Amino acid sequence: DAGVIQSPRHEVTEMGQEVTLRCKLISGHNSLFWYRQTMMRGLELLIYFNNNVPIDDSGMPEDRFSAKMPNASFSTLKIQPSEPRDSAVYFCASSFGDRPKHFGDGTRLSIL
Amino acid sequence: AQKITQTQPGMFVQEKEAVTLDCTYDTSDPSYGLFWYKQPSSGEMIFLIYQGSYDQQNATEGRYSLNFQKARKSANLVISASQLGDSAMYFCAMREGANTGFQKLVFGTGTRLLVSP
Repeated sequence: DAGVIQSPRHEVTEMGQEVTLRCKLISGHNSLFWYRQTMMRGLELLIYFNNNVPIDDSGMPEDRFSAKMPNASFSTLKIQPSEPRDSAVYFCASSFGDRPKHFGDGTRLSIL
Repeated sequence: AQKITQTQPGMFVQEKEAVTLDCTYDTSDPSYGLFWYKQPSSGEMIFLIYQGSYDQQNATEGRYSLNFQKARKSANLVISASQLGDSAMYFCAMREGANTGFQKLVFGTGTRLLVSP
């Protein structure tokens, strides 16, 4: 079975540019999570969806960040405009019910 | 207050020995789940083991076992017969609440394990 698929694996861009991170859920999973990992703050939950509906976006840093789930198997996390402090590894994870969460391989984002 | 506490920033162990990675948690919810993840240097997050708060027995998965002490609110990960490939960051995480399909996990700060030959 295919796992959670994230793209791109690496992104380097200049500050001010729009960045779009993509995530494909495991088939059959109904919950989708975006995490950000930095050395300073560890793993932080940004937002999570259940059945395509955003449940908790309290972890989203500011209005520059937005996340969507246009269908049951796909999500995007957009940063516009990007800033150097957004540099981090962004993980997408999916789950169903009480089963353990499965993570994608992450997107390593560097904003210059 | 920290929900998940991992007090060991780094641990060293020799190959083939057992190692225990500590994790304590804080919750007033009677229903919760505890997870351990491994993050090797390549960066991906790999699920290792899960313990539910109502599980009667300690979880085991191959060389991984979870020493669940509910009264002490600890969920230590035990890796038996360490291998060089076990060198990685290890994260403890907790899900609070009954099974609602909302799997909001809170992570600890991690422990870096280094296995030496």
